[in-house]
Amino acid sequence: ETGVTQTPRHLVMGMTNKKSLKCEQHLGHNAMYWYKQSAKKPLELMFVYNFKEQTENNSVPSRFSPECPNSSHLFLHLHTLQPEDSALYLCASSRLTGDGYTFGSGTRLTVV
Amino acid sequence: AQSVTQPDIHITVSEGASLELRCNYSYGATPYLFWYVQSPGQGLQLLLKYFSGDTLVQGIKGFEAEFKRSQSSFNLRKPSVHWSDAAEYFCAVGARGSNDYKLSFGAGTTVTVRA
Repeated sequence: ETGVTQTPRHLVMGMTNKKSLKCEQHLGHNAMYWYKQSAKKPLELMFVYNFKEQTENNSVPSRFSPECPNSSHLFLHLHTLQPEDSALYLCASSRLTGDGYTFGSGTRLTVV
Repeated sequence: AQSVTQPDIHITVSEGASLELRCNYSYGATPYLFWYVQSPGQGLQLLLKYFSGDTLVQGIKGFEAEFKRSQSSFNLRKPSVHWSDAAEYFCAVGARGSNDYKLSFGAGTTVTVRA
């Protein structure tokens, strides 16, 4: 148990589907993050939330839509994805002090 | 802003041999420093972190890292590698005492362990 829970662990979706990834933490952290990790590529920061407010969007296509209803929950809504969006999506949380993240186990997404 | 370089993309080591992974950072003051490990298809797990004090930091799974301010380095070591240490390793740096709470990650080093 890492403290950050991601569901589902695996997801296969067609390009016309709509699905959502969920991330939950009860560590008392106030920042939450979505990262994309593709094979043989560095971690890509997608979105950052601070006390439910989005503070960073790293030029992510609009087919990815984040939602942060409270400091404990983070969602990534997916629609009309492309095969190149297949990747491991990682959620992390942290305090606002730069002293480290706690990561979830990730969702392995395959777009067919 | 802080940044991290991991010079080695891939390292192969024999089981039982020692391992050292290099990490260099760029930051104007003493940063927070971290090593994370990622097994295939899994999230990143914290191995160890340096905040202050003793520059030799002990972590989980028998790993240690040494902060060298003069070299802006935070290299990870293990005296005797086990096959289960095959994974990807990420060095990260955090800004101390600033409004930037995000970590900067290196590109990772993949470790292969041969029998």
